[in-house]
Amino acid sequence: DAGVIQSPRHEVTEMGQEVTLRCKPISGHNSLFWYRQTMMRGLELLIYFNNNVPIDDSGMPEDRFSAKMPNASFSTLKIQPSEPRDSAVYFCASSPTTGFYGYTFGSGTRLTVV
Amino acid sequence: GQQLNQSPQSMFIQEGEDVSMNCTSSSIFNTWLWYKQEPGEGPVLLIALYKAGELTSNGRLTAQFGITRKDSFLNISASIPSDVGIYFCAGVTGNQFYFGTGTSLTVIP
Repeated sequence: DAGVIQSPRHEVTEMGQEVTLRCKPISGHNSLFWYRQTMMRGLELLIYFNNNVPIDDSGMPEDRFSAKMPNASFSTLKIQPSEPRDSAVYFCASSPTTGFYGYTFGSGTRLTVV
Repeated sequence: GQQLNQSPQSMFIQEGEDVSMNCTSSSIFNTWLWYKQEPGEGPVLLIALYKAGELTSNGRLTAQFGITRKDSFLNISASIPSDVGIYFCAGVTGNQFYFGTGTSLTVIP
């Protein structure tokens, strides 16, 4: 299994531009999570989906952030317009229905907004 | 949200030494997890703990679920250079993971 695949690995963009981060979960996993990691705030859960349906988006910082999961094998996190304070590493994770050992993180997307 | 504090924040140790770190919370959790994150990668699960007082080992790693359910401990015995990384605890309630602030470990050969 290739694990959770995120793209791009690195993204540098100018303030005001739209940014789209992509995630392919592990096949058969029915839950998908988006996290943001910064030095100041650590790992924060932004949103999670169960069976492609958003369950809890209370961690999404503001309306500039949106996430979709159109099917079981793909999810996007979009920031529009981006701001320098959005610079962080964004992780996607997926998990099966039960058990924590299957909860797997991707390698992350390092976003820099200048 | 939930606050999980890890200590120490960072450690510099000699190869072969044992390592201890802990994680405390003001809230009770039903499950405690310990993750390791290496540079440029996502966290990888090391150990999961499911009940108060539980002591679980994974090779040279041993973790304990505190009796109060508000804390957890991780020990690494006989450290080696590849133990370098950031160790995170996570408390779990339902489907929510709350991550600690991390302990950065540096092992000096």
